Amino acid sequence: SQQGEEDPQALSIQEGENATMNCSYKTSINNLQWYRQNSGRGLVHLILIRSNEREKHSGRLRVTLDTSKKSSSLLITASRAADTASYFCATLSGYSTLTFGKGTMLLVSP
Amino acid sequence: GAVVSQHPSWVICKSGTSVKIECRSLDFQATTMFWYRQFPKQSFMLMATSNEGSKATYEQGVEKDKFLINHASLTLSTLTVTSAHPEDSSFYICSARVAEAYGYTFGSGTRLTVV
Repeated sequence: SQQGEEDPQALSIQEGENATMNCSYKTSINNLQWYRQNSGRGLVHLILIRSNEREKHSGRLRVTLDTSKKSSSLLITASRAADTASYFCATLSGYSTLTFGKGTMLLVSP
Repeated sequence: GAVVSQHPSWVICKSGTSVKIECRSLDFQATTMFWYRQFPKQSFMLMATSNEGSKATYEQGVEKDKFLINHASLTLSTLTVTSAHPEDSSFYICSARVAEAYGYTFGSGTRLTVV
């Protein structure tokens, strides 16, 4: 069953701008992960944030987690055309399986 | 880093035939692999959890006789779509959990088209 809900469903920006995607979930989690999918291809793991962490950085990526609101955000700074892809959040509860959100399609125009 | 190799990348088959998709962990042992399905412009739905040396665990609503999963070794899991129909056309992708800090590693996916 779907756990996460991302918004927006689609986001169109210009190169150099920042892109922010949000994810909400319903149950308690061990961690939350963000993945990227290029045009119907495989998934690439971007970043993982544990339930006891509030913020994490990796290069141009910044992830926040608010467990009280059951929400997370992914910020991509100084976006590039190559960042065009679909982005999915996924939650892990227990030693179990990942549950994916519906994804945000990001289009970065040159 | 941990790599999962998935083959084929795409396949077209006729209705009624069976298709086998393979996922191999190249540089680590995967006692558990996960199979997902993605419909066009939608998210990833877990189909089943594949356990080495034992029966797979299927999610509710997934026909185990239609989607046969075999995990005969620590590095290979296969998904066979039996008696395929056009509604089985989808993107199938496998994954394995490497370590908690690194999330899951995914195969490159298989796009199945049944005609």
